[in-house]
Amino acid sequence: GNSVTQMEGPVTLSEEAFLTINCTYTATGYPSLFWYVQYPGEGLQLLLKATKADDKGSNKGFEATYRKETTSFHLEKGSVQVSDSAVYFCALSDILTGGGNKLTFGTGTQLKVEL
Amino acid sequence: ETGVTQTPRHLVMGMTNKKSLKCEQHLGHNAMYWYKQSAKKPLELMFVYSLEERVENNSVPSRFSPECPNSSHLFLHLHTLQPEDSALYLCASSQDVGAPGELFFGEGSRLTVL
Repeated sequence: GNSVTQMEGPVTLSEEAFLTINCTYTATGYPSLFWYVQYPGEGLQLLLKATKADDKGSNKGFEATYRKETTSFHLEKGSVQVSDSAVYFCALSDILTGGGNKLTFGTGTQLKVEL
Repeated sequence: ETGVTQTPRHLVMGMTNKKSLKCEQHLGHNAMYWYKQSAKKPLELMFVYSLEERVENNSVPSRFSPECPNSSHLFLHLHTLQPEDSALYLCASSQDVGAPGELFFGEGSRLTVL
């Protein structure tokens, strides 16, 4: 079956540091890949996505490239801010036969950014 | 109104109680989901409804019973739960056409089973 593996956290960085959160996946076929973010006390929000190999998703200074050859979708940001402190989830998507989507999530990586 | 609203936000119940979680989406989506979020574990998909029909039931114990009366509302009925069922229960919705995999989540209902 499908699976997603993320680096364990927490990751603690100083403001303006470079961020990488690793994500690799196992899947049949060619799934779409996503990063979701969960801020404290809130539900998950879509951060960015990529639907095919070599696509780069980007949003709010975050980027991730769909690498089929390494089955990876690593999240990067050049300069993090305190407001980026949150839990980040990598996910892949299957279309269900009867409709709807089945998202398989990683365990999440907590990011703490300090002044 | 926010896109996906869940009530109650917090719930404490005994093992013999019966309670329900409610989810409402104001986005005009045609699919709704229940996920369970436990510490140190990946989010677990519990149920998926598309056009009010259940299309996925991920081996969830029968003490959890979903109900989708229309495309805007989703319930999770709870009875005779166990302490290990304590978790954050997240509802989500999506529009199948045009944006596969883009789910919109509510803020969750934090359930504690004593």
